[in-house]
Amino acid sequence: ETGVTQSPTHLIKTRGQQVTLRCSSQSGHNTVSWYQQALGQGPQFIFQYYREEENGRGNFPPRFSGLQFPNYSSELNVNALELDDSALYLCASSLGVAGGEQYFGPGTRLTVT
Amino acid sequence: DAKTTQPNSMESNEEEPVHLPCNHSTISGTDYIHWYRQLPSQGPEYVIHGLTSNVNNRMASLAIAEDRKSSTLILHRATLRDAAVYYCILRDPGGSQGNLIFGKGTKLSVKP
Repeated sequence: ETGVTQSPTHLIKTRGQQVTLRCSSQSGHNTVSWYQQALGQGPQFIFQYYREEENGRGNFPPRFSGLQFPNYSSELNVNALELDDSALYLCASSLGVAGGEQYFGPGTRLTVT
Repeated sequence: DAKTTQPNSMESNEEEPVHLPCNHSTISGTDYIHWYRQLPSQGPEYVIHGLTSNVNNRMASLAIAEDRKSSTLILHRATLRDAAVYYCILRDPGGSQGNLIFGKGTKLSVKP
């Protein structure tokens, strides 16, 4: 059974640029959630995708957008990067939308300069 | 969403038991108590969850107060590998969204 993988591991971007982060969910899981974790803080929910549809969103602006593909892998896109977007971005997969255990990937460390 | 309160940090000696407390006085009847932990430079990992009765698995035990307003995660013999941030999270399986609401958690240090 393959776990959750994320790419790239690290990324450095300049303010104003756009970035795409990728996540492959665990085999058999149809739900992907994205979280942002600033240094020293707990992860904050960005949004969740269930069967290719957005199923809930946290308090993040529209420049944070996502996609889920038929194979349930997912992308997180961030436009017009700001310095405060520097964080660890975590993706988690699960079976179903509520109550089930979430399996997290190792994250992508994004630095915006 | 109901919130949880945890100490910022705790210390333990290796091979001794550790009791990590969590207060959740506004818990609803349908909320399950979940624990996740995050090892350094890794994503969070599921530890255990329960509703009313105490629960045991290979990683830990979860003791839930009779009134469900508090719970305790018990690591029976701490190892150096247990040094992590532990998060106590309430989840309603009947909710329309499955996101986890993380607080700051408890940073556990384990001394050799």
